[in-house]
Amino acid sequence: DAGVIQSPRHEVTEMGQEVTLRCKPISGHDYLFWYRQTMMRGLELLIYFNNNVPIDDSGMPEDRFSAKMPNASFSTLKIQPSEPRDSAVYFCASSRQMRGTFESETQYFGPGTRLLVL
Amino acid sequence: AQKVTQAQTEISVVEKEDVTLDCVYETRDTTYYLFWYKQPPSGELVFLIRRNSFDEQNEISGRYSWNFQKSTSSFNFTITASQVVDSAVYFCALSQEGGHQTGANNLFFGTGTRLTVIP
Repeated sequence: DAGVIQSPRHEVTEMGQEVTLRCKPISGHDYLFWYRQTMMRGLELLIYFNNNVPIDDSGMPEDRFSAKMPNASFSTLKIQPSEPRDSAVYFCASSRQMRGTFESETQYFGPGTRLLVL
Repeated sequence: AQKVTQAQTEISVVEKEDVTLDCVYETRDTTYYLFWYKQPPSGELVFLIRRNSFDEQNEISGRYSWNFQKSTSSFNFTITASQVVDSAVYFCALSQEGGHQTGANNLFFGTGTRLTVIP
C-alpha cells in the first residue's frame, strides 16, 4: 500500500507569496496530522483532523496559516502571506482510529515538504 | 504537561558496537503511549515502535530492543551490532489518551539523538 504522499517535496518562495502544501493520507485512515519541524522548536503539531473535521488547531501559529480537509483523501496546509520564519519541514501524518474511542493509533508520516521562504 | 527528554544530542559509535539511546518522559496521565521514530538523512520519519503504558514488557525486533521502565519513566532503545545504515536521528515521542481533548492524539517529540555509526 502507498504511504502518506506529500507534495511538493521542496518549495522555494519569496516572502509575501502564498504557499500551499498538499497531503494524501493512507487509504482508510481516519486521522490526519500536520507537523512542522524546525531546528529551534523541533517537531510540533500544527493541527489534526478526524474524519475530515478539524479537532485541535491550537498549534497553528497564527492566522496566516490555514488547513482544510475537503475529503478523506486530501488535505492542504496554506500559508498566506509567507514569511522567512515559516521556513521549515512540514510533515503530514495519518493514522487509524482505535475502535470504540476517539484515539488515534500509530501515526505514519509522509516524506515531508521542505519549505524555504526568502 | 507532557515532556520527553533525550539528553544525548549526538552519539558516535564504531560499526558493530552496541549503543543505547535514552528517553525520559513526564506525564500525569495513567494511560499513555510511547514511540520511537527514526529520521535518516533522507529526512522522512520512520515508525519503529509503539508501547502502551500498561505494557512494560521489553521488546526485541532483530537488532533493536526497547526497555520500558515506568518506575524511572524511561523508554530506552538499544541497537545491537550497529551498522552504518543505522546512522540517523532517533526521536522518542509520547502521546496521551483523551479522545478529542486538546492535546490528546498529539505526539510530543523529544529533541532527538543523532547517531553516527562509523565504518
